[in-house]
Amino acid sequence: QVQLLESGPGLVKPSQTLSLTCTVSGGAISNSYYYLTWIRQPAGKGLEWIGRIYPSGNTNYNSSLKGRVTLAQDTSNNQISLRLTSVTAADTGVYYCARVSLDYNYYMDVWGKGTTVTVSS
Amino acid sequence: NFVLTQPQSVSESPGKTVTLSCTRSSGSIAYNYVQWFQQRPGSSPTTVIYEDDQRPSGVPDRFSGSIDRSSNSASLTISGLQTEDEADYYCQSYDTDNVIFGGGTKLTVL
Repeated sequence: QVQLLESGPGLVKPSQTLSLTCTVSGGAISNSYYYLTWIRQPAGKGLEWIGRIYPSGNTNYNSSLKGRVTLAQDTSNNQISLRLTSVTAADTGVYYCARVSLDYNYYMDVWGKGTTVTVSS
Repeated sequence: NFVLTQPQSVSESPGKTVTLSCTRSSGSIAYNYVQWFQQRPGSSPTTVIYEDDQRPSGVPDRFSGSIDRSSNSASLTISGLQTEDEADYYCQSYDTDNVIFGGGTKLTVL
């Protein structure tokens, strides 16, 4: 059974870069039937899509993040990473990694438990 | 980009049927599939409906999804409400470049 585990520093200072990792167990990220996506949720608020990375390494990002975000994959460690630059308090929240089936449109069949990030000095 | 609008909160009694709405601001609701997610307090979201009306294995058939072109909206209907259905529900769709979530509806079962 595929599991996703997000990890990273719980606290980041304003203007710095946030780096998170999503480690996949039970399946290879190079599996051509799925891609991975990051979604975040400010405390007490709704969900916001951050971006996605395909097995080929191709990426798409939420245009509202204005070029601050980069996703990458590390197939040797079966991980994907998220890098968000110039963070502010508005970037505080829970960050989720989810697997999306390529056989369907946006069927997110596996979610990680999320990792909480606080941006504060 | 379009916006997906959901009512902030809905309450219903156990055993009843409730319908949660998700209205698309521009462009036809039928252009792009709609997904629905359930998020119980303190937990990650899970998919309860994908591609407008498809139910993942393991999701009870009390959950059903539909779209209505006349109101340009999608709906999630939960029948035979149970206390465990109390959660936040989010609709989601997409356009060429972006994935768009509705603001979520808090469903209270009391």
